[in-house]
Amino acid sequence: GENVEQHPSTLSVQEGDSAVIKCTYSDSASNYFPWYKQELGKRPQLIIDIRSNVGEKKDQRIAVTLNKTAKHFSLHITETQPEDSAVYFCAASGAGTASKLTFGTGTRLQVTL
Amino acid sequence: NAGVMQNPRHLVRRRGQEARLRCSPMKGHSHVYWYRQLPEEGLKFMVYLQKENIIDESGMPKERFSAEFPKEGPSILRIQQVVRGDSAAYFCASSPGQGAEQYFGPGTRLTVT
Repeated sequence: GENVEQHPSTLSVQEGDSAVIKCTYSDSASNYFPWYKQELGKRPQLIIDIRSNVGEKKDQRIAVTLNKTAKHFSLHITETQPEDSAVYFCAASGAGTASKLTFGTGTRLQVTL
Repeated sequence: NAGVMQNPRHLVRRRGQEARLRCSPMKGHSHVYWYRQLPEEGLKFMVYLQKENIIDESGMPKERFSAEFPKEGPSILRIQQVVRGDSAAYFCASSPGQGAEQYFGPGTRLTVT
């Protein structure tokens, strides 16, 4: 089955700096890669996603890149703000009946003033 | 358009009792996924259902756990004879189709005493 690894497990940046979180996956059939943000005690919130026919996608301060050959994808957050502090999860899934999400172990991002 | 609804939000059960968790998908969504999150850990897939069908139950424990998504009403995750190790947050997510984005509900936090 699919296996997703995520690094780093914790990340501390100063406000205004950039943050990068990296994930690798094992199943070459995976074709959908969402990122979720989870604040303490809250639901995972979909913040951006990318499909395997696209190499990069951007939404304001958030961008995701995908390298299918190397089987890795990354989340980039620019101009970080204190409200970006949360746990971020990457995930991977396949098509059709294989559409369950396999999650990484999470990255706790702390944005300091 | 209401989001994914889950109830109850908190559930306390004694060992040996039954727990019933309910999930109502977003309007227009007919695909439901259940995930479990242990404290300080990532989300683990349990089961994927469409109306009246279980599509993938590869993440469900073999005993005591069952799920359904009837033609009318919410999806239900049922845990019989709960044990302390079942204490976790149980999230459901809904999707408009296979391989489409998944949106999470607020979760049910189950505590087994």
